[in-house]
Amino acid sequence: SQQGEEDPQALSIQEGENATMNCSYKTSINNLQWYRQNSGRGLVHLILIRSNEREKHSGRLRVTLDTSKKSSSLLITASRAADTASYFCAPTNSGGSNYKLTFGKGTLLTVNP
Amino acid sequence: DAGVIQSPRHEVTEMGQEVTLRCKPISGHNSLFWYRQTMMRGLELLIYFNNNVPIDDSGMPEDRFSAKMPNASFSTLKIQPSEPRDSAVYFCASSWQGNQPQHFGDGTRLSIL
Repeated sequence: SQQGEEDPQALSIQEGENATMNCSYKTSINNLQWYRQNSGRGLVHLILIRSNEREKHSGRLRVTLDTSKKSSSLLITASRAADTASYFCAPTNSGGSNYKLTFGKGTLLTVNP
Repeated sequence: DAGVIQSPRHEVTEMGQEVTLRCKPISGHNSLFWYRQTMMRGLELLIYFNNNVPIDDSGMPEDRFSAKMPNASFSTLKIQPSEPRDSAVYFCASSWQGNQPQHFGDGTRLSIL
């Protein structure tokens, strides 16, 4: 399995601004997933992008994937205070261990009202 | 629909005691995961079950840890004897298949005194 590394470690913005978080990984992937964790809660799946996709949207979320650079980005547009959370990326390998999500330290996003 | 249900939400006990954490996955999901989250080590996969069978227990830290899944709707993680370094938040997650997005419970916050 491989671990995604999120960048930056912390991000503080004003409500209404956009937030961009980045993820890098080391080897080829089957897909890459983004999760959110609110304080004191479990992780919530946000979006899954497959290795043959370059961009995916879900509401105010936009995820891009660049397999040549082994990187992904998560953009949250028009942020709200409720978006305050930690965000994790999880690349998954193809093959027998494709169930394995190895999480990094995450990006702590703070949206100030 | 009910999500993944974990119990108890909080557990405080003295070292040496047996601790049992419980999880009810989402109905119809055939994959179940136990994770541990600490500030130092982040989120770590402990064990993965598929169709009630343990597939990968390489993350189980020691023989003091054991996990069972007697049927498709129930799993336990047991620590015996418990030690202060076992203090962490333990999450259970389930998915329709091993490589699909995972649904997390809200965790059990375990404190070993």
